[in-house]
Amino acid sequence: NAGVTQTPKFRILKIGQSMTLQCTQDMNHNYMYWYRQDPGMGLKLIYYSVGAGITDKGEVPNGYNVSRSTTEDFPLRLELAAPSQTSVYFCASRDPRGSSGANVLTFGAGSRLTVL
Amino acid sequence: RKEVEQDPGPFNVPEGATVAFNCTYSNSASQSFFWYRQDCRKEPKLLMSVYSSGNEDGRFTAQLNRASQYISLLIRDSKLSDSATYLCVVISNFGNEKLTFGTGTRLTIIP
Repeated sequence: NAGVTQTPKFRILKIGQSMTLQCTQDMNHNYMYWYRQDPGMGLKLIYYSVGAGITDKGEVPNGYNVSRSTTEDFPLRLELAAPSQTSVYFCASRDPRGSSGANVLTFGAGSRLTVL
Repeated sequence: RKEVEQDPGPFNVPEGATVAFNCTYSNSASQSFFWYRQDCRKEPKLLMSVYSSGNEDGRFTAQLNRASQYISLLIRDSKLSDSATYLCVVISNFGNEKLTFGTGTRLTIIP
């Protein structure tokens, strides 16, 4: 199992450009999440999904969009990149069924985005 | 009051010492609790789940105090490799979809 795979690992964008951060998981997890982490700060939830076809906003959704057409994939789109979106983005997934151990959140390695 | 609060530190601790830090949560209905470890510029990784009866994994002990609404992490005989940021994570019973992260406690073990 590859776990949670994010691409790209690094990206530099110009203000106003658009891009999509890809996230895929091979663990058949229903729940998937996108977080951003600014330097020296905690994780902030952008969007999450409890299953294919269902998405919901987190704490900081403005400037982002997501889709969940399959269980495996949960891409995050930035439509008009702004310097405030410079951050490290983490995708994560979990399976909430079963024992508490099954609630473990598995993260991807992160995507470091800089907007200039 | 924040949903989940941690002392950001930094905790600078000599190698071999014992260190403990807490994480408080505001929602009394919270059901599941975890400690994650995050190394610099890396993704968070699960350190241990926190069970009602408390649990131990080698040098690490996690405890839950429901009455005072906090969880704790104790590290004994600290190693240089324990230097990291420790994040607490709380899942509330309601909805069970969103996890709330603390901002993390930075720990540095000094030789």
